[in-house]
Amino acid sequence: QKEVEQNSGPLSVPEGAIASLNCTYSDRGSQSFFWYRQYSGKSPELIMSIYSNGDKEDGRFTAQLNKASQYVSLLIRDSQPSDSATYLCAVTASGGSYIPTFGRGTSLIVHP
Amino acid sequence: SQTIHQWPATLVQPVGSPLSLECTVEGTSNPNLYWYRQAAGRGLQLLFYSVGIGQISSEVPQNLSASRPQDRQFILSSKKLLLSDSGFYLCAWSIPSGRWNIQYFGAGTRLSVL
Repeated sequence: QKEVEQNSGPLSVPEGAIASLNCTYSDRGSQSFFWYRQYSGKSPELIMSIYSNGDKEDGRFTAQLNKASQYVSLLIRDSQPSDSATYLCAVTASGGSYIPTFGRGTSLIVHP
Repeated sequence: SQTIHQWPATLVQPVGSPLSLECTVEGTSNPNLYWYRQAAGRGLQLLFYSVGIGQISSEVPQNLSASRPQDRQFILSSKKLLLSDSGFYLCAWSIPSGRWNIQYFGAGTRLSVL
């Protein structure tokens, strides 16, 4: 069974700090990796996608992928209270229908 | 641009009553469509997905069913709701593109079965 693991948190960081969210996955053949942000009571929205080892930056967000160690992380620089949400990691395994498996999410709280 | 509509936003239903949730996508053709459920404090559970009209794959055996009567319409149904059916139901779409299969979610329906 393909698994995606995230620490449920909450992860609490002060405003302006770097928030680091981590995700590990069990299927070594996984090919695609996504981070979604979900505000309380709302639906998930895509923040980042990453497919190759290394870093991918988009504004204040950086996704880091290490396939050898089977983890993907999301860094949020200059964290703002508006970043407070649950962050879902999603991983698409090799072959098949390319439907991602979602982790349970990490709750992030950015306090002023 | 593509948009996804999902309704109703909230629903309160008694145990044993039927259910029908609808989702439509605009601005794209032949999308893959998905139904997920998110229970309180839990992850996203894939219920059904469809790659075309009339083609439904079920991921979890339960008292729910799905149908795709039109290319951009996806319906989630139940004949008799259970208490355990309560949750946040999310419809999603994607462009079939292999490993680049990115899902986009509708606003969701919060279902309370009492």
